[in-house]
Amino acid sequence: EPEVTQTPSHQVTQMGQEVILRCVPISNHLYFYWYRQILGQKVEFLVSFYNNEISEKSEIFDDQFSVERPDGSNFTLKIRSTKLEDSAMYFCASSETGRGDGYTFGSGTRLTVV
Amino acid sequence: AQKITQTQPGMFVQEKEAVTLDCTYDTSDQSYGLFWYKQPSSGEMIFLIYQGSYDEQNATEGRYSLNFQKARKSANLVISASQLGDSAMYFCAMREALYNQGGKLIFGQGTELSVKP
Repeated sequence: EPEVTQTPSHQVTQMGQEVILRCVPISNHLYFYWYRQILGQKVEFLVSFYNNEISEKSEIFDDQFSVERPDGSNFTLKIRSTKLEDSAMYFCASSETGRGDGYTFGSGTRLTVV
Repeated sequence: AQKITQTQPGMFVQEKEAVTLDCTYDTSDQSYGLFWYKQPSSGEMIFLIYQGSYDEQNATEGRYSLNFQKARKSANLVISASQLGDSAMYFCAMREALYNQGGKLIFGQGTELSVKP
């Protein structure tokens, strides 16, 4: 079964450092997303991406965050200057149509900022 | 106001019994989708079941079924014949404005299910 692949599975970074989280969405999917989950809390939407541009972003997704699809397969989330409160699980997801079918999450990257 | 409400922070069920996890939602859209995901202790989000607002039949996937009551705005997950491996956190989520671009999901707080042997 096709899957969304995220690397690394766990990343530890110093406060103030830049970090890039990587995702390979399912190949025929057109819509891409990033979500985050702070430990013990619910999953929160960060940003959606379609046709090489951001289609929607949340209040969390401020100037410290950026997304990119540098080639035909990867989808990245960059945090420019990490803060302690950025520590969370970050999930990438992709969807074929943006509706209900085939909305698939990756297994997540656990980011720890020290 | 909460868009997705899961009122049961934790639930226990005996192995082989059925269990219902509650989810109510709030939207003014006519076209929306409802999802359930399972999150085991390892952390990944596993898709379980999907119900579109225009689907007339309740969705079923193996041991999972979704009890969709549109007028009451509820989308409860029913797990039949619980297994020890069903112990996990369960999240209800909604996608509004189904035919617009974007497609973000809004999640509830989750219900932690523990299956007892």
